[in-house]
Amino acid sequence: ETGVTQTPRHLVMGMTNKKSLKCEQHLGHNAMYWYKQSAKKPLELMFVYNFKEQTENNSVPSRFSPECPNSSHLFLHLHTLQPEDSALYLCASSQGEGEAYEQYFGPGTRLTVT
Amino acid sequence: GESVGLHLPTLSVQEGDNSIINCAYSNSASDYFIWYKQESGKGPQFIIDIRSNMDKRQGQRVTVLLNKTVKHLSLQIAATQPGDSAVYFCAESGGSQGNLIFGKGTKLSVKP
Repeated sequence: ETGVTQTPRHLVMGMTNKKSLKCEQHLGHNAMYWYKQSAKKPLELMFVYNFKEQTENNSVPSRFSPECPNSSHLFLHLHTLQPEDSALYLCASSQGEGEAYEQYFGPGTRLTVT
Repeated sequence: GESVGLHLPTLSVQEGDNSIINCAYSNSASDYFIWYKQESGKGPQFIIDIRSNMDKRQGQRVTVLLNKTVKHLSLQIAATQPGDSAVYFCAESGGSQGNLIFGKGTKLSVKP
C-alpha cells in the first residue's frame, strides 16, 4: 500500500447525477493531485493543491470541482458529466510541490458515465 | 509540441531475459525524467529517475539511460520476472516547479 486511499474504487453514474470522489493520504504530505487516466491516452494532470491552496487547474471543465479541506483529504465533486469523462481518476500526494518530491499514487476510482 | 511518447505499446519477454522499454520526448528543455510502473488495479509507482546532467543511472535490476542528443529515454530491466508485468510510463519535467508530463505507457508481459 502506498499510504494513499481512494473511495469509491468503482463508480457508475448518469449524466445528470452528482457524485464525489474521495482521496485520503496518511503520509503527512502537503501537496495533493488529481489525475485523469483514459484508455490509450497519457496520464493528465487536473488539479494540484499545496497546503490546501489550489496551485494548478489544468484547464479542467467546471463540471469537475475539487475541494481540499485539509492537507490529508482531497475531493473531486462531479456533476453533469459526459460519457467521455469515463476514466480512471487517480489521486497522488507528495511532501511538497514540484519535481523534487516523489508522488505517491492511490489505486484510483474507475468512473463510468452512462 | 511538448509531449512524451512511447515507441511500442506492448512488449513481451521471456522470464529471465532483459527488457528494454523506450520513450521519446520532444521538449529539449526538460531536465528531469521518471519511470513509473503501474500494475493492474493499482496506481503508478515510482521506479527510478534521472536528471539531464546524467546519461545513466542504475537501481536494483533497473537502469535508465538518457540520450539528450536524440531526446530518448530507456528503461532496462535485468532478469525480468513475472512480477515485472505491468504498464511502464515515462514522465518529464521542465523545471523545479514544473508538473510532470506523462507518456502513454508500454505494457510489459513476462512469459514463464
